[in-house]
Amino acid sequence: AQSVTQLGSHVSVSEGALVLLRCNYSSSVPPYLFWYVQYPNQGLQLLLKYTSAATLVKGINGFEAEFKKSETSFHLTKPSAHMSDAAEYFCAVSDTGRGSTLGRLYFGRGTQLTVWP
Amino acid sequence: DTGVSQDPRHKITKRGQNVTFRCDPISEHNRLYWYRQTLGQGPEFLTYFQNEAQLEKSRLLSDRFSAERPKGSFSTLEIQRTEQGDSAMYLCASVRGLAGAGNNEQFFGPGTRLTVL
Repeated sequence: AQSVTQLGSHVSVSEGALVLLRCNYSSSVPPYLFWYVQYPNQGLQLLLKYTSAATLVKGINGFEAEFKKSETSFHLTKPSAHMSDAAEYFCAVSDTGRGSTLGRLYFGRGTQLTVWP
Repeated sequence: DTGVSQDPRHKITKRGQNVTFRCDPISEHNRLYWYRQTLGQGPEFLTYFQNEAQLEKSRLLSDRFSAERPKGSFSTLEIQRTEQGDSAMYLCASVRGLAGAGNNEQFFGPGTRLTVL
């Protein structure tokens, strides 16, 4: 089974500072990787996804993530944090290959991002 | 609004009661997933439908849980004889795409928050 580890359940940054949220996955083959954001009392919104094309993936709201196979990592970054970025962020991995289990997502425990003015 | 909708958004029930949640996916999406999210955790997979067929169930889905997707449209998730441990956010997601394409984006609904007293 796939698994995802998000290092740091809480990250705090000042407005304008770099945001770095860490995600490592375990998989015997490169999986499909996703970052989702969740605002309070809402569902999950996709920020970006890696699907074995470019290793540097750009998403919405200025976020990007780099797939590093050698490190089994898919860290999320944003050069300059904004107050509106405060939310919970989830890294997720999906199966590759064919089969009825295909497409289910395995999520990390999430990282709560706080942005200070 | 053409997104995924869930009803109700909040449900408070007493232990031992039965509850039913509904998910209306995006209309052309043939795949539908249910996840459960408890406090401080990422969503965990419960079950998966491709059209009207329930193709996979997690071990988390005890015999008190049942899900249906008649005619491959909306889906219902029923919990019988609720327990306090069932308190969680129940999320529904839908996907358009062929089975075997694990990189398809899952669109999430806002969730149903269940509180069992």
